[in-house]
Amino acid sequence: DIQMTQSPSSLSASVGDRVTITCRASQGISNSLAWYQQKPGKAPKLLLYAASRLESGVPSRFSGSGSGTDYTLTISSLQPEDFATYYCQQYYSTLRTFGQGTKVEIK
Amino acid sequence: QITLKESGPTLVKPTQTLTLTCTFSGFSLSTSGVGVGWIRQPPGKALEWLALIYWDDDKRYSPSLKSRLTITKDTSKNQVVLTMTNMDPVDTATYYCAHRRYCGGDCYSVWGQGTLVTVSS
Repeated sequence: DIQMTQSPSSLSASVGDRVTITCRASQGISNSLAWYQQKPGKAPKLLLYAASRLESGVPSRFSGSGSGTDYTLTISSLQPEDFATYYCQQYYSTLRTFGQGTKVEIK
Repeated sequence: QITLKESGPTLVKPTQTLTLTCTFSGFSLSTSGVGVGWIRQPPGKALEWLALIYWDDDKRYSPSLKSRLTITKDTSKNQVVLTMTNMDPVDTATYYCAHRRYCGGDCYSVWGQGTLVTVSS
């Protein structure tokens, strides 16, 4: 199984801050990576796929990058509605695994 | 507009079999590239991918749960059914179904609201 490790597990930030979340795969996944946002009591929402492609309707302040085993999600200017938990997910292997999540909280 | 909704029991006893139905609209499971997946989330924990069925009836399962899972589709009813045998309290979770579209792989672009299943005697 490919393990996905996110860091940090949580962070506190202020509105307007630039936020970066890292996802590391236990082996190379050839950009087969998606990022999801989940708010409390709600289903996850797809933000990016193929590591860096923005899903339709997602604000451009979200961006993704990376290659091989290391990937990042960046929020360029954190907005009040962005406080949530973020998950990465690889779809390179038969077992599509998620990271453990990164909770973005208000400072 | 694509929508999905999960239905099934909210409480099951240990060793019982869980049957969940995902009823969807706004797409056809006979369209090339389309699929429906199941993902679960124990309370306060991370997401766990369970299974996926494709438009051509190809199926994928989590290897660790494969012996307990079966996923089927009824294209005429716009439904996908997931069964999980031998339920245990550790299977207590919110179960989501989601629309899979091709994005170079599996992207879950629209999710159902989820259904909380509690396993307890």
